[in-house]
Amino acid sequence: NAGVTQTPKFQVLKTGQSMTLQCAQDMNHNSMYWYRQDPGMGLRLIYYSASEGTTDKGEVPNGYNVSRLNKREFSLRLESAAPSQTSVYFCASSEGDRLRMNTEAFFGQGTRLTVV
Amino acid sequence: AQKITQTQPGMFVQEKEAVTLDCTYDTSDPSYGLFWYKQPSSGEMIFLIYQGSYDQQNATEGRYSLNFQKARKSANLVISASQLGDSAMYFCAMRDAGLTGGGNKLTFGTGTQLKVEL
Repeated sequence: NAGVTQTPKFQVLKTGQSMTLQCAQDMNHNSMYWYRQDPGMGLRLIYYSASEGTTDKGEVPNGYNVSRLNKREFSLRLESAAPSQTSVYFCASSEGDRLRMNTEAFFGQGTRLTVV
Repeated sequence: AQKITQTQPGMFVQEKEAVTLDCTYDTSDPSYGLFWYKQPSSGEMIFLIYQGSYDQQNATEGRYSLNFQKARKSANLVISASQLGDSAMYFCAMRDAGLTGGGNKLTFGTGTQLKVEL
């Protein structure tokens, strides 16, 4: 049972380079999320997708784009990486929707991204 | 807009003692859910416990219980009989129904680093 799979696990980018973080879940979940985790800041929501075909901005969307390719996959793209985007990125998914609050989110293992 | 506040950046507790980690929240939505997650030093996120806004009883899961005070908008995590393996970062999170916009967004607090000492 794979759960939520993120790739890559580690990445070093030069300033200005682009990359896409991939996320896939095999639990048939409706909702998917991208977070970044920085020391002292907790997990901050970048973008989320409440259902296939929809995406919404979270707290810190600037510098990122997302694609909900299908129900399984939700990718995060950095078009022109900046040192401020150095962080640990987590993808998560949950079954929950507006009618069901009680389903927890399942997380991937994280991607440690360094922008130099 | 949703907001989760954890005011304790770090906490220490002695082994076998109980500890309370604070969490306050803000939402104008009447329907919401509150979650606690544990993140050990290895980095994975582990779900601990859930409390719904309409639940009459405080949630419990083994040594974890949630002290839910709706009028105060607080959802504190209580860990009983602390163990060395409880040393980790703990996050409070909230999802609301989005009746006032932004539905199903899952928002986290800044976390509390718990250290269990012998």
